[in-house]
Amino acid sequence: EVQLLESGGGLIQPGESLRLSCAVSGFTFSTFAMSWVRQAPGKGLEWVSTVSPRGDSTYYTASVEGRFIISRDNSKNALFLQLDSLRAEDTAIYYCVKNWWDVTMRVPVIDYFDYWGRGSLVTVSS
Amino acid sequence: DIVLTQSPGTLSLSPGERATLSCRASQSLSSSNLAWYQQKLGQGPRLLLYGTSARASGVPDRFSGSGSGTDFTLTITRLEPEDFAVYYCQQYGNSRWTFGQGTKVEIK
Repeated sequence: EVQLLESGGGLIQPGESLRLSCAVSGFTFSTFAMSWVRQAPGKGLEWVSTVSPRGDSTYYTASVEGRFIISRDNSKNALFLQLDSLRAEDTAIYYCVKNWWDVTMRVPVIDYFDYWGRGSLVTVSS
Repeated sequence: DIVLTQSPGTLSLSPGERATLSCRASQSLSSSNLAWYQQKLGQGPRLLLYGTSARASGVPDRFSGSGSGTDFTLTITRLEPEDFAVYYCQQYGNSRWTFGQGTKVEIK
């Protein structure tokens, strides 16, 4: 059974930093790309960032580029998101998500999100 | 980036009725890269359909998808009580992933 378990969320002041983690089990972690998707309170889903299966390529939505860093440790089946210079508009539930994109594709032609975690709430407020 | 616009924003229906949800893209996209997700209150999203019409594992056959180019549709043939939720379409292209704003299917 695929399991994605986020941790590290909490209440933080504007301008500060936070690191989210996601512990993964139930599939060969190093084979698949992974992503973070967020959802502001009462709002829809927003893709945040994706990392390739080997961790050598990363992608970000424009609003977090330069402030967030996605990374992974394939030896520990773990995904991370470093959130710096946090703003009130970053307040959201952050979901750890498994991509369909696997290691056989240098860049995916087809992709979607096939497994989701329960999410970790990040609240940015003074 | 491709923008996905879902309609209607809210669909009020009774159990047993048919639901038709629309997702329109700002430019043509590959039908292989259009997916639908279901999100129930207080839960994370769940993949329903990928490649426009392929059902994910465990998804009942009352859920179906169709469309091409810029217009895509999710149909639920006979609404069950557990189907009342929010539904999102999502596309992938050029190393960008985007979601529609969602359609809420509520009990009338």
